[in-house]
Amino acid sequence: AQKITQTQPGMFVQEKEAVTLDCTYDTSDQSYGLFWYKQPSSGEMIFLIYQGSYDEQNATEGRYSLNFQKARKSANLVISASQLGDSAMYFCALRNTPLVFGKGTRLSVIA
Amino acid sequence: DAGVIQSPRHEVTEMGQEVTLRCKPISGHNSLFWYRQTMMRGLELLIYFNNNVPIDDSGMPEDRFSAKMPNASFSTLKIQPSEPRDSAVYFCASIPGQGAFGELFFGEGSRLTVL
Repeated sequence: AQKITQTQPGMFVQEKEAVTLDCTYDTSDQSYGLFWYKQPSSGEMIFLIYQGSYDEQNATEGRYSLNFQKARKSANLVISASQLGDSAMYFCALRNTPLVFGKGTRLSVIA
Repeated sequence: DAGVIQSPRHEVTEMGQEVTLRCKPISGHNSLFWYRQTMMRGLELLIYFNNNVPIDDSGMPEDRFSAKMPNASFSTLKIQPSEPRDSAVYFCASIPGQGAFGELFFGEGSRLTVL
């Protein structure tokens, strides 16, 4: 069975600083994808970044980067230069089919 | 382009009533997913369809829940009879194909409250 673990229920970060949200996964599949989604208080699910299991380089999208360590089965999200608008729930998800979500991490950015 | 469209956005009903949630996936997307989100259990997959055929419904909590996809552009999730523990946000999502590794496109969700 596929499994996603996010061990940080809540995180605080000072505005303009970087923050790392942890995610570990467990799968026996060789080909899979890892995703991060953001859910602000308004409730919608916003796709942030994707990493394929065969991608050799870590994915980056603007201020978001994914620290992918395949041997350790971790896919941590790094947000650089945090902004107040980054305060939200963040979900890591594993996909072969279908998408399995972690429990999420609530990030609070402090001014 | 229109995204995944869900209706209603909010539903308040009384225990025992039938609830029907609707979803229109993105045109051309062949796979559709229904998720339920609660504080206690997080995001749970209820069922997913590929080419209108249910592939995995093991997440459907019990017989009170049923889902259909009569055509490529429409799906329903029905709860009959509803109970207070069904209160949650129900998300519909779609992707271009079952084997596609791209992002899952989510609707805005339907918030259900059962009194």
